[in-house]
Amino acid sequence: KQEVTQIPAALSVPEGENLVLNCSFTDSAIYNLQWFRQDPGKGLTSLLLIQSSQREQTSGRLNASLDKSSGRSTLYIAASQPGDSATYLCAAGDTGGFKTIFGAGTRLFVKA
Amino acid sequence: EPEVTQTPSHQVTQMGQEVILRCVPISNHLYFYWYRQILGQKVEFLVSFYNNEISEKSEIFDDQFSVERPDGSNFTLKIRSTKLEDSAMYFCASSERLAPGSQETQYFGPGTRLLVL
Repeated sequence: KQEVTQIPAALSVPEGENLVLNCSFTDSAIYNLQWFRQDPGKGLTSLLLIQSSQREQTSGRLNASLDKSSGRSTLYIAASQPGDSATYLCAAGDTGGFKTIFGAGTRLFVKA
Repeated sequence: EPEVTQTPSHQVTQMGQEVILRCVPISNHLYFYWYRQILGQKVEFLVSFYNNEISEKSEIFDDQFSVERPDGSNFTLKIRSTKLEDSAMYFCASSERLAPGSQETQYFGPGTRLLVL
C-alpha cells in the first residue's frame, strides 16, 4: 500500500530564500508524481507533474525532481516570495495513474 | 481558462440523509476523480472514473458511495445515508488523458464542504 510522507510539516523562511520541500513514497512503482499548492479553504492547484520516466520538471521558480529508486521527490522553490505562502502537497500516481495518494503537505510561510 | 466547477459550495445535511455532490469537469477531459479532505487531514482518494465506469476506488468508497456521469457534462458523487464522519471537503478533479505528457495533470474544483449533523 502506497504511503506518501512530506517533511517538514511546516516551514517559515524570510523572503528571498531558496528552499527545498521533501516528499517520500514507499512503493517505487509509481505512474507519476505531482506537486500541488493548496491555499487555505481552497482547492488544489497543480504546480508540476513528473512522469515515472522523468527525473525533473521546471516551471518558473519551481523545480521538482524524482528519484524512484530511493522513493523520493523534492520541490525546490527559488527566491521565495510572500505569495508563495501556502500548503504544498505531493501526490503519487499509482496503478496506471487511476489512483493518487497524497502526502499530508508542508505548510510554508514566507515572511516579508 | 477552463476550470472544474462544483456545486453546491456548502451543504448541510442530517445524518441518514442522501446527498448528491455535483461537478462539471473541463469539457475535453476524459478522466474524472473524487477526493475528500477531512478538516486538518490529508487529501484522500475516493474514486476514478473513465469511459462511464469506475477505474479504481479506495477502501473508503464502499456501498454508501456511488458515482455517475448522467450526461455529457456532469459528474456526480452520491452519498447514501450520510454519517457524521462523512463531514469533509469533497473535491472533484479531471484530467485530459493518462498518457505521457501534461495531459495527465489533474485539475481540481474548489470543493464542496459537506457538514453532516
